[in-house]
Amino acid sequence: GENVEQHPSTLSVQEGDSAVIKCTYSDSASNYFPWYKQELGKGPQLIIDIRSNVGEKKDQRIAVTLNKTAKHFSLHITETQPEDSAVYFCAASIGASGGSYIPTFGRGTSLIVHP
Amino acid sequence: NAGVTQTPKFQVLKTGQSMTLQCAQDMNHNSMYWYRQDPGMGLRLIYYSASEGTTDKGEVPNGYNVSRLNKREFSLRLESAAPSQTSVYFCASRLAGRNEQFFGPGTRLTVL
Repeated sequence: GENVEQHPSTLSVQEGDSAVIKCTYSDSASNYFPWYKQELGKGPQLIIDIRSNVGEKKDQRIAVTLNKTAKHFSLHITETQPEDSAVYFCAASIGASGGSYIPTFGRGTSLIVHP
Repeated sequence: NAGVTQTPKFQVLKTGQSMTLQCAQDMNHNSMYWYRQDPGMGLRLIYYSASEGTTDKGEVPNGYNVSRLNKREFSLRLESAAPSQTSVYFCASRLAGRNEQFFGPGTRLTVL
């Protein structure tokens, strides 16, 4: 089955700095890679995703890059703000086409943005 | 829309007690999931239901049972709770053909 490794487990940055979280996956059949943000006391929420036919995707201050050959993908947050402080999860899966969709999650990265 | 709701928010059990965690969604989603979240372990799938009337085991099903009561509701039952089941439990749902999962706020369970 799929195995997803996520690093680092904790990331501490100053407000305004950039933050990068990296994930690797093992199953070359995986073609969908979402990133979830979990704020304290809440459930995870999708913030950005990328499919295997795309190398990079941006949404304002966040971006995700994918290297299919190396089987790794990364989340980039620029101009970090205190409200970016949260736990971030990556995941990998074969995208849903009507049937079962079972993502494998990384272990999470706790991002702390210091004012 | 309330999205995905879970009850209770907190629960303390003694070893051997049983309980049912409730989950409901009002988004007409087809698939529903139960995860547990432990420190440093990420989200691990316990059971899922791809559609009403079906359930399947995930990565860590031992000690749990589930019921897909109808399209809206998916419950998780602990028949004889153990301290190893102390965790935060999340329910999630997904619309058929779409990848995004919507998570509930979680239930924090402590087994003494």
